[in-house]
Amino acid sequence: DIQLTQSPSSLSASVGDRVTITCRASQTISNYLNWYQQKPGKAPKLLMYGASTLQSGVPSRFSGSGSGTDFTLTISSLQPEDSAFYYCQQSYSPSGTFGQGTKVEIK
Amino acid sequence: EVQLVQSGAEVKKPGESLKISCKASGYTFTSYWIAWVRQMPGKGLEWMGIIYPGDSDTRYSPSFRGQVTISADKSITTAYLQWSSLKASDTAMYYCARQPSTGYYNFDYWGQGTPVTVSS
Repeated sequence: DIQLTQSPSSLSASVGDRVTITCRASQTISNYLNWYQQKPGKAPKLLMYGASTLQSGVPSRFSGSGSGTDFTLTISSLQPEDSAFYYCQQSYSPSGTFGQGTKVEIK
Repeated sequence: EVQLVQSGAEVKKPGESLKISCKASGYTFTSYWIAWVRQMPGKGLEWMGIIYPGDSDTRYSPSFRGQVTISADKSITTAYLQWSSLKASDTAMYYCARQPSTGYYNFDYWGQGTPVTVSS
């Protein structure tokens, strides 16, 4: 199975800050990397697919980059509504494993 | 409008069987995969398995193979996740999600989740 390791596990930042979350794969996955946002008590929501393509309706302050084994999700200007858990997921192999998640809190 | 509507909360005893459902609408059911994802209390997301209702091709994570069964009924556009003998460790929220059959195989629509509690 392909393992995904996210860092940090949690972060606290102020409104307006630039926030970066990283996701590292245990083997190359090309750009088959997706990002999801999950708020408490809600189902996950697709933010980004193919490492860098923004899902329709997602604010442009979210961006993604990377290829191979190293990927990043960036929030250019953190907003209060961005407080959530963020998960990366690889869809390169048939078992689409998730990273362990990153909790983003607002200071 | 694409919708995945899951069955309601379940409370079961260890050893009992259970089948939960995910009713799809608003798209061609047989042209997309449906996956099941587990989230244990306070924990992250786990990919359990996936089915292509068009031909019933089904794949399981090694962690879940033999523990659950995934199926689908094309005639009523519904996917299922079932257990033959529940354990306390099956207590979790279970989500179904739609995956395109081409492109980057992401989960673009999700059900609202079905909470399952297994307790004696």
